[in-house]
Amino acid sequence: DAGVTQSPTHLIKTRGQHVTLRCSPISGHKSVSWYQQVLGQGPQFIFQYYEKEERGRGNFPDRFSARQFPNYSSELNVNALLLGDSALYLCASTKGTYEQYFGPGTRLTVT
Amino acid sequence: AQKVTQAQTEISVVEKEDVTLDCVYETRDTTYYLFWYKQPPSGELVFLIRRNSFDEQNEISGRYSWNFQKSTSSFNFTITASQVVDSAVYFCALSEGRWGLVFGQGTRLTINP
Repeated sequence: DAGVTQSPTHLIKTRGQHVTLRCSPISGHKSVSWYQQVLGQGPQFIFQYYEKEERGRGNFPDRFSARQFPNYSSELNVNALLLGDSALYLCASTKGTYEQYFGPGTRLTVT
Repeated sequence: AQKVTQAQTEISVVEKEDVTLDCVYETRDTTYYLFWYKQPPSGELVFLIRRNSFDEQNEISGRYSWNFQKSTSSFNFTITASQVVDSAVYFCALSEGRWGLVFGQGTRLTINP
């Protein structure tokens, strides 16, 4: 079975721009979570979606938003990009509420 | 509030040595889950183990073993007879089952040949 897939792999944006990151969960998994990992730190929880509904939100500003589609894939949107948004963005899928399986991530660089 | 502390930022050992990665957690819930993940240079987090708060049995999987002690709020990870391929950043994480995982800062493990 295919694992979690994310696109794009790398992305370079300019301050103030908007970005959309995409994630496809493992087949049969209905929950998707998003994390931000700044270099040298552990991942920080951004959002969790289950059955297309937001089930949890971390301590991130409203510039960050997400949604989940009927096929359980998900998008993470970030508006008005700041230099501090440069990070590895990880998507994880879960069958229930337990172990999360992570994708390879999207590395976002904001210049 | 939930918190995970991995006090060891970096560990460097010679191949075949045993190494233990420490993890201490804080939570007010009686039901919670603890995890270890491995992050190789490629960046993808690889799931290693999940333990729930009601199961304090230690677990062994090949060269890997985990020691869960609720009395000290610790969930330590030991690699026996380390190999170069074990080099990675290892993260301990905590979940109360509702929201996302809370990760520690990670321990960068380097196994030298």
